[in-house]
Amino acid sequence: GAGVSQTPSNKVTEKGKYVELRCDPISGHTALYWYRQSLGQGPEFLIYFQGTGAADDSGLPNDRFFAVRPEGSVSTLKIQRTERGDSAVYLCASSLSSTGELFFGEGSRLTVL
Amino acid sequence: KNQVEQSPQSLIILEGKNCTLQCNYTVSPFSNLRWYKQDTGRGPVSLTIMTFSENTKSNGRYTATLDADTKQSSLHITASQLSDSASYICVVSGGGYNKLIFGAGTRLAVHP
Repeated sequence: GAGVSQTPSNKVTEKGKYVELRCDPISGHTALYWYRQSLGQGPEFLIYFQGTGAADDSGLPNDRFFAVRPEGSVSTLKIQRTERGDSAVYLCASSLSSTGELFFGEGSRLTVL
Repeated sequence: KNQVEQSPQSLIILEGKNCTLQCNYTVSPFSNLRWYKQDTGRGPVSLTIMTFSENTKSNGRYTATLDADTKQSSLHITASQLSDSASYICVVSGGGYNKLIFGAGTRLAVHP
């Protein structure tokens, strides 16, 4: 596609539920990143993929968070047993290479009640 | 600790006026510094990217400067427009791959 696409744009869920957020990067971009942005703050790094592998997952806050990119294109961020503190906008970005310009999606706004 | 500090936190200016946003960083090693514009409810969009050897870079009415010695950068907006109302985020890249340290942003409001 023309840009990075994220779905859903909005997700409201109850505490304890499981959530999946999807990112479809720009075609041909090998690097993919997930960030989390709280209100009034800059994005916070979660995980970086180079191809199919997670090159750096040091930003994932705990083991309830997991992300996959099985075919080196679409990525899914998975959150188990959601907590109210998980409420944020989850941004996905992709780039042609690990040092290239980042292109961000519009984000998925997650609200945990 | 790698940090990016931005000032002011928020700014209100009148349409047509100029403004300058500041960014100080302590990221090491340093690869490049980027300024992004983020409209409310949207993803950040890149304005400029500067490497260590670049002192200034322009993108239309946006001009970014970089002083790698003092670890400071500024973003100057000329002849502001209502559409410039957004958050402006300073981002510093360090390390061997694209791991970015984001500032908290400056929220700019341009009033008619």
